[in-house]
Amino acid sequence: EVQLAESGGGLVQPGGSLRLSCAASGFTFSRSWMSWVRQAPGKGLEWVANINQDGSEKNHLDSVKGRFSISRDNAKNSLFLQMNSLRAEDTAVYYCAIGEGAVWGQGTLVTVSS
Amino acid sequence: DVVVTQSPLSLPVILGQPASISCRSSQSLVSSDENTWLNWFQQRPGRSPRRLIYKVSNRDSGVPDRFSGSGSGTDYTLKISRVEAEDVGVYYCMQGTHWPKTFGQGTKLEIK
Repeated sequence: EVQLAESGGGLVQPGGSLRLSCAASGFTFSRSWMSWVRQAPGKGLEWVANINQDGSEKNHLDSVKGRFSISRDNAKNSLFLQMNSLRAEDTAVYYCAIGEGAVWGQGTLVTVSS
Repeated sequence: DVVVTQSPLSLPVILGQPASISCRSSQSLVSSDENTWLNWFQQRPGRSPRRLIYKVSNRDSGVPDRFSGSGSGTDYTLKISRVEAEDVGVYYCMQGTHWPKTFGQGTKLEIK
């Protein structure tokens, strides 16, 4: 069974940092594009970043460029999102997803507040 | 950024009746490789999104055949032939042809 399990969310002060992880299983992780998508409370979906199979190509939403960085470890079947200089508007549930959203994890909540 | 506009935003439907959601993009979604990266997602209350349709009209595994997608260029449609109680939730279209990938605002389907 294909599974994605996010972790690392929590409460952080504005300007702080968090590192989200996504543990993948049940499919060939190293052959898949992977993505992070977020959803602010009560709002719609926003595609944050994606990364190709070997990590050589990465795309980030303009509003997070220079603050967030997507990465992966194919040996550990894991996807990451390093989030620095967090702002209140980054508060959301963060989902990892395979490719064009074929499968999604359960999400991890990030709350940026003082 | 490509703007994706869904309508209606609220969709009350009687059980067993059909439903249709429109999705319009501000640019053509046909990519240079001639694929059209237009997907549809369902998000049931309190759940993660689930993809229903990829590349306009292809149903994902396990998706009931009452769901169908169609369209071309800048205009796309998701149709549910006969709405069931389990279809309640928010439906999003998403374009993946242009970066950043963008979603429509969502259409909330409820049972009338």
